[in-house]
Amino acid sequence: GAVVSQHPSWVICKSGTSVKIECRSLDFQATTMFWYRQFPKQSLMLMATSNEGSKATYEQGVEKDKFLINHASLTLSTLTVTSAHPEDSSFYICSAPAGGSEQYFGPGTRLTVT
Amino acid sequence: DAKTTQPTSMDCAEGRAANLPCNHSTISGNEYVYWYRQIHSQGPQYIIHGLKNNETNEMASLIITEDRKSSTLILPHATLRDTAVYYCIVRVRVRFGAGTRLTVKP
Repeated sequence: GAVVSQHPSWVICKSGTSVKIECRSLDFQATTMFWYRQFPKQSLMLMATSNEGSKATYEQGVEKDKFLINHASLTLSTLTVTSAHPEDSSFYICSAPAGGSEQYFGPGTRLTVT
Repeated sequence: DAKTTQPTSMDCAEGRAANLPCNHSTISGNEYVYWYRQIHSQGPQYIIHGLKNNETNEMASLIITEDRKSSTLILPHATLRDTAVYYCIVRVRVRFGAGTRLTVKP
């Protein structure tokens, strides 16, 4: 199956700093990628849809100025958590469709804000 | 997007078939049913998908009722490594419900 990678796999940052998470499609091109957040013992929550060459589409309740998404190429989308706070600590996962209709997910990035 | 309903948890004996049900009564005619699973602290893994016909691959079988309002994922010979949360999802956009926590017991 198609491969989606994320970097870093885990990150610890101090409150008030910004953190960038990368999502890459390794063996296919993706004009659209999705970003999710998952809190412990909860399901994945869709945050936004990343569109190559245009603005991201955010789900209701997700602050676009806090979670900056850039989809600069057909294989890379980035999520920047700006001015991170402890409540932003979570597991962030990206996904992309690989030609067919099914989605392939990255391994996730665990963010801890101290 | 159509909403899906799954049991919160299920147990299965190792080596037996695991049958995971999903209700999607508001599914529309062009929406596929997808199944993913998530093992602890990993990204979800694609399992199988279908529109109206039953599907089978190396991982599982998918049985969709004729009215398409429900489906069942079948893991024919469950192993301990199949312990995970299983999600049934209907397109267009991938929105996850709570899923079913399947525990395979020796």
